[in-house]
Amino acid sequence: AQKVTQAQTEISVVEKEDVTLDCVYETRDTTYYLFWYKQPPSGELVFLIRRNSFDEQNEISGRYSWNFQKSTSSFNFTITASQVVDSAVYFCALSEPYYGNNRLAFGKGNQVVVIP
Amino acid sequence: NAGVTQTPKFQVLKTGQSMTLQCAQDMNHEYMSWYRQDPGMGLRLIHYSVGAGITDQGEVPNGYNVSRSTTEDFPLRLLSAAPSQTSVYFCASSRLAGAGELFFGEGSRLTVL
Repeated sequence: AQKVTQAQTEISVVEKEDVTLDCVYETRDTTYYLFWYKQPPSGELVFLIRRNSFDEQNEISGRYSWNFQKSTSSFNFTITASQVVDSAVYFCALSEPYYGNNRLAFGKGNQVVVIP
Repeated sequence: NAGVTQTPKFQVLKTGQSMTLQCAQDMNHEYMSWYRQDPGMGLRLIHYSVGAGITDQGEVPNGYNVSRSTTEDFPLRLLSAAPSQTSVYFCASSRLAGAGELFFGEGSRLTVL
C-alpha cells in the first residue's frame, strides 16, 4: 500500500526565512513517481515538480529546491527567502504506475504561513 | 485554453438527494480522476479512469458512481447524498496515468444538509 507522510501540519515563518517541508513515503516498488503540488488560499491546485525514482538529482527552481533521498524515502521541499505569496498548503504525492496502480496518493499537506 | 472544467462550483443538497458533478477536459488526456478534500485529510481519491469505458475505484469510492463514455467527460454521481459527503471535490486529468502531472479543475464545494 502507498503511504505519504507530511508530519508538519502548519508551519509559520517570518518573511525572508527559509522553510523546509518534509515528505516521507512508503512504497513496495523500485519504480515510482513523486510530486509536489501547491494550493494557495484561492483554492486551485498547482503542480510544482515531478521526480521519478531513478533520478536522485536534487533540483533548484528559483527560490524552490527539492532534496530526494531514496535511502531515507524522503522528498523534501525547501522555500528559500520566503515571501507572503508562498503562503499556501503544499502537498506531496506518490504514484506507482508500473504495477498497474494508477492511483496518485497525497499526503495530508503542510500549511505554510508566511508572516510579513 | 479551458483545461479542466468542473460544474457546479457550489451546491447545497438535502440528505437523500442525488446530483452529478460534471467534469470536462479539452487536452485529450486519457487519465481522469476525482478527489475529495476535507480539512486535515488532504486529497483522497474517489474514482479514476484510464480511458473511455474504463473506471476503477480509489480510496473512498462508497456513495459515488462514475462513468466514462468519452475521453473528454468524467461525471461523478452522488446517488443519495449524506452529510459525510460535504466536501470540496476536485476533478483532475493527466496525459500519463500515474506518471504525469495532474491538471486540476477549480473545485466544487458541496454541502449536504
